Amino acid sequence: GEDVEQSLFLSVREGDSSVINCTYTDSSSTYLYWYKQEPGAGLQLLTYIFSNMDMKQDQRLTVLLNKKDKHLSLRIADTQTGDSAIYFCAEIYSSASKIIFGSGTRLSIRP
Amino acid sequence: DVKVTQSSRYLVKRTGEKVFLECVQDMDHENMFWYRQDPGLGLRLIYFSYDVKMKEKGDIPEGYSVSREKKERFSLILESASTNQTSMYLCASRTRKGGLGGELFFGEGSRLTVL
Repeated sequence: GEDVEQSLFLSVREGDSSVINCTYTDSSSTYLYWYKQEPGAGLQLLTYIFSNMDMKQDQRLTVLLNKKDKHLSLRIADTQTGDSAIYFCAEIYSSASKIIFGSGTRLSIRP
Repeated sequence: DVKVTQSSRYLVKRTGEKVFLECVQDMDHENMFWYRQDPGLGLRLIYFSYDVKMKEKGDIPEGYSVSREKKERFSLILESASTNQTSMYLCASRTRKGGLGGELFFGEGSRLTVL
């Protein structure tokens, strides 16, 4: 069935890079997304990648897509305290309009 | 800016009560979604709607129903609330214009506690 998996927690030191990983199941997914949820708030789109791309870079964010292994990662360079949040990986199924989310990775920053 | 507004941030209801969660978006989006968010389980899709009066079951529709009589409004209904429906409920919307990749815009969530 449809599934998106992420590890639940990640702790990094301020200034280091954070890498959040995600695996998905639908090889026909056309778009894959990263959403960020800050405490007490809804989700906001951080970045997305189209399935015919391997990499997308946007300032401190780098998204890598390995379509063969159905693996998506989000790298945050120079992690700051403001990056503390839950990060959700999501995929859209081309056969339908529904978007499936992973369990979310809670990123915490150590001083 | 797109705004998705959920009518109640916090609700406390009793087992067996009927509960309405309202969601309104102001950008003429065709698609609207209801998710529930539980720790360790992420967001699970309850129902979604392609357009007015159209609805599709998501992954966990049991115990829920929805209504989309107007394009801007998507309501989630718990006919008889149970304690296992205590959760955070998130509404989202997006446009289909431009293809499948439209961004999902979320409301701030409604935290429901069923006693």
